[in-house]
Amino acid sequence: DSGVTQTPKHLITATGQRVTLRCSPRSGDLSVYWYQQSLDQGLQFLIQYYNGEERAKGNILERFSAQQFPDLHSELNLSSLELGDSALYFCASSVGDRVTEAFFGQGTRLTVV
Amino acid sequence: AQSVAQPEDQVNVAEGNPLTVKCTYSVSGNPYLFWYVQYPNRGLQFLLKYITGDNLVKGSYGFEAEFNKSQTSFHLKKPSALVSDSALYFCAVRGRRAAGNKLTFGGGTRVLVKP
Repeated sequence: DSGVTQTPKHLITATGQRVTLRCSPRSGDLSVYWYQQSLDQGLQFLIQYYNGEERAKGNILERFSAQQFPDLHSELNLSSLELGDSALYFCASSVGDRVTEAFFGQGTRLTVV
Repeated sequence: AQSVAQPEDQVNVAEGNPLTVKCTYSVSGNPYLFWYVQYPNRGLQFLLKYITGDNLVKGSYGFEAEFNKSQTSFHLKKPSALVSDSALYFCAVRGRRAAGNKLTFGGGTRVLVKP
């Protein structure tokens, strides 16, 4: 158990809908990361927050947004969902915001039908 | 831009034999390099990292990796593979000038250790 908690574990929703994925980092970790894992794109970095502020941004679609709250948990909001958004979404956390290993949650499997 | 190549989709090895998973990278300047492992229906688990110093890095579960700057490689090795090492292995890189801790992952290599 990495100490990173993601909810829900599975999510099935229809195209055009909006969903929110939630992540609680390990105790003491200030950085939260979001990754998308799909068969065709592999593991893609979406975004990093450090102590509430956006620190690094990857190939995150405009339909997607994230935030980190004062209690350090994070949410990833996915809107206007498309079939191609079906993927495993991982949250990870780390103590610092630079060169440090990240600890991954078990992921949320999103299926868009 | 930073990128990682894992040239083998799958590596098959007999239990007890040496295991090598290949990784090459491209990044501006010196790299930070990582290996992660993913078991079925689980998140990624950190194995080891190279930041600076000794080119041979030792990590969890008996794994090690060797940083080779001239060949831009960071191959993962284990002297004697176990059936329980069967999993998906990811190499990742971050350039030293990159913002935050944005890691770029390779496509992954599936390792199958046969008894």
